Amino acid sequence: GDSVTQMEGPVTLSEEAFLTINCTYTATGYPSLFWYVQYPGEGLQLLLKATKADDKGSNKGFEATYRKETTSFHLEKGSVQVSDSAVYFCALGDHSGGGADGLTFGKGTHLIIQP
Amino acid sequence: DAGITQSPRHKVTETGTPVTLRCHQTENHRYMYWYRQDPGHGLRLIHYSYGVKDTDKGEVSDGYSVSRSKTEDFLLTLESATSSQTSVYFCAMGAGAQETQYFGPGTRLLVL
Repeated sequence: GDSVTQMEGPVTLSEEAFLTINCTYTATGYPSLFWYVQYPGEGLQLLLKATKADDKGSNKGFEATYRKETTSFHLEKGSVQVSDSAVYFCALGDHSGGGADGLTFGKGTHLIIQP
Repeated sequence: DAGITQSPRHKVTETGTPVTLRCHQTENHRYMYWYRQDPGHGLRLIHYSYGVKDTDKGEVSDGYSVSRSKTEDFLLTLESATSSQTSVYFCAMGAGAQETQYFGPGTRLLVL
């Protein structure tokens, strides 16, 4: 079945540091890929998405490129801020495998940015 | 302008009692979902709906049932709550498997 693997952390960085959170996936079809962010006590918010190979999703300075050859969707940001502290989830959505129509999530990466 | 709400937001109940969580959306999305979030597991799909009265099981459906009598409402029922069902429950809405899902604020459930 489909699966998503991401580093769990916590990942602790200083403000203005470069961020990479790795995400790799296994899917039977041609999934869409997502990064969601969860701030303390809140629900999940879409951060960015990509729907086909070589697409780049971007939002709020974050970027991720859909790499089919390496089955990866790594999240990057050039200069993080304290306000970026949150839990980040990589997820895929894939109907062609015949399974349920929900998203398959990684376990989440807790990011802590220190001033 | 939340678009999707959940009630209650917090609930404490005892083992063996029935519990119903409600999800309400105002965006006319065809698909609705229930997930549970647990430490070390991320989010896991419980049940989903692809239309009024059309529902299907997800990865962790045992002990849960759902109903959708109107487009805007999706109910999750724990027929007889167990301590293993202590979790944070999220409802989501969307347009299908490969489309963006939009999440509610969550319900924190504690089963004693």
